[in-house]
Amino acid sequence: GDSVTQMEGPVTLSEEAFLTINCTYTATGYPSLFWYVQYPGEGLQLLLKATKADDKGSNKGFEATYRKETTSFHLEKGSVQVSDSAVYFCALCEDNDMRFGAGTRLTVKP
Amino acid sequence: GAVVSQHPSRVICKSGTSVKIECRSLDFQATTMFWYRQFPKQSLMLMATSNEGSKATYEQGVEKDKFLINHASLTLSTLTVTSAHPEDSSFYICSASHGNTIYFGEGSWLTVV
Repeated sequence: GDSVTQMEGPVTLSEEAFLTINCTYTATGYPSLFWYVQYPGEGLQLLLKATKADDKGSNKGFEATYRKETTSFHLEKGSVQVSDSAVYFCALCEDNDMRFGAGTRLTVKP
Repeated sequence: GAVVSQHPSRVICKSGTSVKIECRSLDFQATTMFWYRQFPKQSLMLMATSNEGSKATYEQGVEKDKFLINHASLTLSTLTVTSAHPEDSSFYICSASHGNTIYFGEGSWLTVV
């Protein structure tokens, strides 16, 4: 079945560092791909999404590109801030069936 | 490892009836659980935050009298869809935190006919 594999955490970075969180997936068809973020004490929020190959999702300085050839959807940000500290989830949705990665905890230090 | 279990995985109910979905943390205590809903071909939507021993906190636009949440113990939160209508048909999923990890239930498919 479909699955999502996400880079294990935790990840600790200094402010203004470059962030990459790797995400790869397996799917039988053409899923939509998502990144969700969960800040401390809050519920999941959609960060960005891409619905077809080569689409780039972006929001709040974060980007991810749907790469069908490598079945990847890596999350990147050029300069992280302390406020980006959270848990990030990669997810896919195919035929209304959703699969999540295990989550990657990011801590950004001043 | 820690597991969050959701039941039932699929349920079909008639319009006007109520249906209850359970979310259990199997080997840890969860003071807070989250309930989400997924509309067809869309992303998850946070419905409410379930707090053990107190009232749930609902997101804007979510009818608290229709989606009753009870978090009566540290291992169980329930979502009851009252007077269900076909437009309530959806995928509902819960999550809970344990330590530094967030765990999701398997999700529940609700079909209202």
